[in-house]
Amino acid sequence: GAGVSQSPSNKVTEKGKDVELRCDPISGHTALYWYRQSLGQGLEFLIYFQGNSAPDKSGLPSDRFSAERTGGSVSTLTIQRTQQEDSAVYLCASSLSVSGGHSTDTQYFGPGTRLTVL
Amino acid sequence: GEDVEQSLFLSVREGDSSVINCTYTDSSSTYLYWYKQEPGAGLQLLTYIFSNMDMKQDQRLTVLLNKKDKHLSLRIADTQTGDSAIYFCAETPSWGGGNKLTFGTGTQLKVEL
Repeated sequence: GAGVSQSPSNKVTEKGKDVELRCDPISGHTALYWYRQSLGQGLEFLIYFQGNSAPDKSGLPSDRFSAERTGGSVSTLTIQRTQQEDSAVYLCASSLSVSGGHSTDTQYFGPGTRLTVL
Repeated sequence: GEDVEQSLFLSVREGDSSVINCTYTDSSSTYLYWYKQEPGAGLQLLTYIFSNMDMKQDQRLTVLLNKKDKHLSLRIADTQTGDSAIYFCAETPSWGGGNKLTFGTGTQLKVEL
């Protein structure tokens, strides 16, 4: 597709349930990022994948959060035992690569998944 | 750690210029970005500036960077109602830790008729 797509667009879940959020990056982009946007914390980095390198998980808020990127393309962010404070919009972005040059490093964002934990 | 600050609100009249300001603390920032977020939508890249530049103009948008003061601004000329949105500045470091963005708090721009 032309841009980054995310699914579902909205997810309502009960506290304690697990959820999976999906991101399809722009075709050919090797770098993929997850961010979270919440009222209290603003926009926060969560995790970053670049090619076959080990992901940078430094932004994940707890061990209930994990992410995978299969085949270097689609990524899934999983939140286990959801809590009300996990309610937020989860944004995915991709870039062509990470090389230190703007033309390849610019991140393009998807529309986000709005997660509501009741 | 990095910290990026913005004023929360700005209100302007249609046709006037808007100036949105941003301050950051990481002196090793390489690229600084401006993103726009309309209600219910994702982040749209507006423009960027490399840290060795002072100014960049792109149609109605002018970005000014004062690296000494770590101050970034976005000027929108002839502001229109369609410019009403939240504007985020963001920076990336140069220390090779990937290009994870650190965002400002966002400035909500309201354009009045």
